Amino acid sequence: NAGVTQTPKFRILKIGQSMTLQCTQDMNHNYMYWYRQDPGMGLKLIYYSVGAGITDKGEVPNGYNVSRSTTEDFPLRLELAAPSQTSVYFCASSYPETNEKLFFGSGTQLSVL
Amino acid sequence: DQQVKQNSPSLSVQEGRISILNCDYTNSMFDYFLWYKKYPAEGPTFLISISSIKDKNEDGRFTVFLNKSAKHLSLHIVPSQPGDSAVYFCAASEGPKAAGNKLTFGGGTRVLVKP
Repeated sequence: NAGVTQTPKFRILKIGQSMTLQCTQDMNHNYMYWYRQDPGMGLKLIYYSVGAGITDKGEVPNGYNVSRSTTEDFPLRLELAAPSQTSVYFCASSYPETNEKLFFGSGTQLSVL
Repeated sequence: DQQVKQNSPSLSVQEGRISILNCDYTNSMFDYFLWYKKYPAEGPTFLISISSIKDKNEDGRFTVFLNKSAKHLSLHIVPSQPGDSAVYFCAASEGPKAAGNKLTFGGGTRVLVKP
């Protein structure tokens, strides 16, 4: 059982480049999330989805886009990378009934230079 | 505006002693509280949780205490072990009333347990 899988693990982007962070889960969870963690800070919610075809903004959505075409996949798109997007990105998933217990992937460390 | 705050960025404790981690929140709508543990280069993993209708929840060496009137919760680890060295995040949710089971996280406390 792989759980939540994120790719890539590391990436360096130049300012203005774009990329997609991939996230897939094999637990048949309805809910999926993208968080970012800046150095010394907590995790901040970027976007979340309560099911295929449904997405909504979190606390820090600017500069990002998401889609949820299947239950398993929840990719995060950066269109015009900026240095402020240098961070560690975590994807997570959960059942609606599990009292907010989230399962996290191992993260993607992104640097924008 | 941080709704969940962990005011101690780090904590050092001797093996076998108690570790006490603190967390304060400001949003009175928070209904459910969780602690996550994170090792380097890994994602956070769920540790223990507590509903707002309780004031204590215990799971082995880990106990979480909730003081709703003070909007404060704490995590006690007894006895502390070297494998407990990690970053601990406090998190809160508005419960099933809020769409998406969204969590708000504190900034984390780095715990170092010395052998």
